[in-house]
Amino acid sequence: DAGITQSPRHKVTETGTPVTLRCHQTENHRYMYWYRQDPGHGLRLIHYSYGVKDTDKGEVSDGYSVSRSKTEDFLLTLESATSSQTSVYFCAGGDSNQPQHFGDGTRLSIL
Amino acid sequence: QKEVEQDPGPLSVPEGAIVSLNCTYSNSAFQYFMWYRQYSRKGPELLMYTYSSGNKEDGRFTAQVDKSSKYISLFIRDSQPSDSATYLCALGRLAGNMLTFGGGTRLMVKP
Repeated sequence: DAGITQSPRHKVTETGTPVTLRCHQTENHRYMYWYRQDPGHGLRLIHYSYGVKDTDKGEVSDGYSVSRSKTEDFLLTLESATSSQTSVYFCAGGDSNQPQHFGDGTRLSIL
Repeated sequence: QKEVEQDPGPLSVPEGAIVSLNCTYSNSAFQYFMWYRQYSRKGPELLMYTYSSGNKEDGRFTAQVDKSSKYISLFIRDSQPSDSATYLCALGRLAGNMLTFGGGTRLMVKP
C-alpha cells in the first residue's frame, strides 16, 4: 500500500545495539500498528497507537517501545536488540472497524 | 488452541483450477472478516472484507462467511500463476480495532 512506507527496508545490526524502525503514512489513519512476522507464528502485534501520543501494548511487546509524535509517523524502538528479535516487521494503519493497510516490511537481522 | 486456525499448506493447483482457502475460528465476538494476499517479500494486501454472513464477490474472488459454523472461505476462480502467494484470513471484533490473523496458507498455481 503506497500510503504506508517503512524505513529502512533491510537492516543488519549487532546484539545489544539500539534500533529504530520508522513508519510513515499519508492516509490520515487514526490507528497505527507494529507487527512482527515469523515462520510458524504468523503476524503478531507488538504495539499499537490510537492517536498522537496514545499507545498500548500488544501480544509481544517485551523489549520494544513505540512513539507517535505526529499522526503520520510511528516509530518502533528496540532498546537493546537480541537475536530473538530477528524478524520481518510490518507497520499498518487503519480506522475504526475498518481493515488495516500494511507497508512492505523491514527485514531486521540481529547478529 | 488458537483463536483462528488456517491450514498452512502449501496448496498446489494447476492453472485454471478453482481454489478454496479456509479459516475456522472459535470466538463468536468476531464480526468482520478479511482476506489478505501476501507476495514474497511484500506486505499483506487487502483482497476482500465483509461484515455479514453469506457471499461477497469481486471479480474472480468470492469471500464466504458462515457465522453459525464459525467458518470463512475464499474462493478463487480460474486461478492464475500470478495468484501464487500466501493468503491470510483476518478477523476483527466490533469493540476495539485489533485484528486476529490466521497463520496463512501458501498457494502455488502451476502453469
